[in-house]
This record gives sequence, structure tokens and C-alpha cells, in this order.
Amino acid sequence: DQQVKQNSPSLSVQEGRISILNCDYTNSMFDYFLWYKKYPAEGPTFLISISSIKDKNEDGRFTVFLNKSAKHLSLHIVPSQPGDSAVYFCAASALGGNYQLIWGAGTKLIIKP
Amino acid sequence: DGGITQSPKYLFRKEGQNVTLSCEQNLNHDAMYWYRQDPGQGLRLIYYSQIVNDFQKGDIAEGYSVSREKKESFPLTVTSAQKNPTAFYLCASSIGVGELFFGEGSRLTVL
Repeated sequence: DQQVKQNSPSLSVQEGRISILNCDYTNSMFDYFLWYKKYPAEGPTFLISISSIKDKNEDGRFTVFLNKSAKHLSLHIVPSQPGDSAVYFCAASALGGNYQLIWGAGTKLIIKP
Repeated sequence: DGGITQSPKYLFRKEGQNVTLSCEQNLNHDAMYWYRQDPGQGLRLIYYSQIVNDFQKGDIAEGYSVSREKKESFPLTVTSAQKNPTAFYLCASSIGVGELFFGEGSRLTVL
């Protein structure tokens, strides 16, 4: 039973355009969501997070939107750069506990020059 | 520089052998974790530890064991009881409830 789903295994975007990565969840108890970025043969690195009391969080070129009624969140990257090519993981937790982070399967983002 | 160091980066094991993956952090984080990543899947939690001398099973603890004798160290042993041990293993740490910091991972292959 996948509680966190990233339905697009891969996404290809032109450099300079907007990249939109999507994530759906089923557990209404989730209240904290994170996005991580991962390069091949490396560990993931934290990108941005959002708590359920917000519907938007922005950090430079990265913005995460949360739609609680739809149980959906998205990560927007504007403008997309070649260094953004990586696998992006969405993760969620309930009651703010890291210990029970539930991860999506990841979306591979490819930025085309 | 502060960070998490995992070793070895690559490891080959014969069936029936136990192997231990090392994880050391100098971030002074209380919590440490071990995850497993398989192709096309998200990260799955094996074990986590919130404080020294205490650890909890995650979703897929069977066939694995850990220890937390020091704050800086959280080694993972993959035992012969683990039926499908070939995977990419990631160690992470955090200050309580907060972002996770990951090591570079260890790739274990069973021959």
C-alpha cells in the first residue's frame, strides 16, 4: 500500500522553463512534507519542506504547493537549470516525526539544453 | 567539514555471510537512521535510533541488526537471514524533528 505516490517516473524539461513535480498521498494524518534531491551514487539532500498549516513555501527557485483537500503537493522549479537534473523524492510524516518518514518512489528530472 | 561518512562504498558478499556497514557522523545529531533503496522504489526504513543505546525497528528490520554504543556511530549488520540483501543502503542523521542528512550510501551486492 503506497501511501506516498509519485506517478511520473521521469520528466523532461527544457532549460529555462518551469519543472513541475507531483506527489500524492493517501494518509490524511500526514502533516509534514519534504522534497529531497538525489544524484546517482550519492545520498539524497534536503531541498524544501512544508507543514500542513501552510499551502505554499518558497526558497529561491523552488516552491512547494500543498493542496490538503486533494492530498496533493507539487514542487515547482523556475527557471530549470542543467544542475537540476536528478531524482526528486517526496516524503511525508505524521505528527512531525522524522522516524516515520514515508517516501515516494522518486521522479527523475532531465533538463534539456 | 561536518557530515556523515558511510563505508565501504561498494561491498560484495557471498551468500550466508554477515556483513557490517559503517556509518559515522560528526554533526552531533541525536537521531540516526538506516534506509534501503531498491530500483524504482522509495527509501524504506530499516532501523532508527533516537539516542545512544536505544534503537527501534523500521518497516523492514528482518534480517538486519544495529547497535548505537556511541552518539557518532550507527553500524548496520546485514545477516545471512536477510533473503534479498542486494541493495543500496543509506545512513542518515537528524536533530530530532528536522531535515535528514544523508551519507553517500553503500552498495551491497550478494554473489
